Amino acid sequence: AQSVTQLGSHVSVSEGALVLLRCNYSSSVPPYLFWYVQYPNQGLQLLLKYTSAATLVKGINGFEAEFKKSETSFHLTKPSAHMRDAAEYFCAVSVPGNTPLVFGKGTRLSVIA
Amino acid sequence: DAGVTQSPTHLIKTRGQHVTLRCSPISGHKSVSWYQQVLGQGPQFIFQYYEKEERGRGNFPDRFSARQFPNYSSELNVNALLLGDSALYLCASNPIVQDIHGYTFGSGTRLTVV
Repeated sequence: AQSVTQLGSHVSVSEGALVLLRCNYSSSVPPYLFWYVQYPNQGLQLLLKYTSAATLVKGINGFEAEFKKSETSFHLTKPSAHMRDAAEYFCAVSVPGNTPLVFGKGTRLSVIA
Repeated sequence: DAGVTQSPTHLIKTRGQHVTLRCSPISGHKSVSWYQQVLGQGPQFIFQYYEKEERGRGNFPDRFSARQFPNYSSELNVNALLLGDSALYLCASNPIVQDIHGYTFGSGTRLTVV
């Protein structure tokens, strides 16, 4: 079975600082990996996805993530944080063959002015 | 194009009651999945339906059931509600059973059981 571990339930950064949200996965087969963002009282919005193509994936709102098989990681980064980036971020994994998404517990990002 | 729409957005039920949540997928999407998100946790998979057939079920009790209609909309039913069923229920749609392009989620239904 697949699983995801998000390190740090809460991350706080200053506006303009680097954002780094950590995600490690466990999967016995090559995975698909996703990052979703959830703003208060809203559903999930897909930021980016890795589906076995390029290991460096660029998403919306300036976010990107790098798939590192040797480290079983898929960390999310953004060079410069904006106030509007404050939200909950979820890493998720699935594998080929009709499997549902398995989510991590989420990381709440706070951006300080 | 309209996204995934869920109704109602909020509701309050009493323990022991029954609830029905509804979801309309994006036009052209034939698969609908349901997730439960308890406060402070990531979403947990409940069901997936494709072409009106159940294609996956998570680790939830039989009080939870769902169905998909010919127009691909879906209902999630929960019987004998417990306080622990209070959560945000999310519906996701995708064109096929396994969409490697990422599921599209609705805004959810916030269920409070008192």
